[in-house]
Amino acid sequence: KAGVTQTPRYLIKTRGQQVTLSCSPISGHRSVSWYQQTPGQGLQFLFEYFSETQRNKGNFPGRFSGRQFSNSRSEMNVSTLELGDSALYLCASSSVGGGMGDEQFFGPGTRLTVL
Amino acid sequence: AQSVTQPDIHITVSEGASLELRCNYSYGATPYLFWYVQSPGQGLQLLLKYFSGDTLVQGIKGFEAEFKRSQSSFNLRKPSVHWSDAAEYFCAVGVMEYGNKLVFGAGTILRVKS
Repeated sequence: KAGVTQTPRYLIKTRGQQVTLSCSPISGHRSVSWYQQTPGQGLQFLFEYFSETQRNKGNFPGRFSGRQFSNSRSEMNVSTLELGDSALYLCASSSVGGGMGDEQFFGPGTRLTVL
Repeated sequence: AQSVTQPDIHITVSEGASLELRCNYSYGATPYLFWYVQSPGQGLQLLLKYFSGDTLVQGIKGFEAEFKRSQSSFNLRKPSVHWSDAAEYFCAVGVMEYGNKLVFGAGTILRVKS
């Protein structure tokens, strides 16, 4: 089985722009979660989607949004980029049940740099 | 609120020596606990997890962890470290609300000297 894939792997944007990151989960997985990783704040939960519905959200401003498609692929969008949004954005998928007992499989991440 | 503390930011061990990485959690209910490893430029790989039952859990790559409820700890151990174990290690607690959410510790960077 192919793992979790994230595109693009690297991205450079300027302040004020918006960006869309994509995540393709493992085949058959219906839960997709997003995390932001920065040196200062560490790994922080952004949101989780299951069957196209957001069922959990972290403490991030409304500039961060996401969605999930019927094939379970997910996108996250950040509008009006700030320098502090520079981070590694990790996507994780878990199995059909999507419950807490399910292992989350992480993708390699998208490295976003905001100039 | 849920939290995870990894008190050691960096640890250096000699190749072949034993390893213990510390993790303490704060969570009101029965925790789901995880250890992940991240190599530079990579995503996170699950080493092991604890949900219930035997408090000593075995994972991949020769790692094990022991859940101690009385100490709110879930320390990761390996009897003999290999140079390829050099990486960053994250302890996480799964939050028992609807859906999947992991709360991570700050991570411990392991350096292995030959």
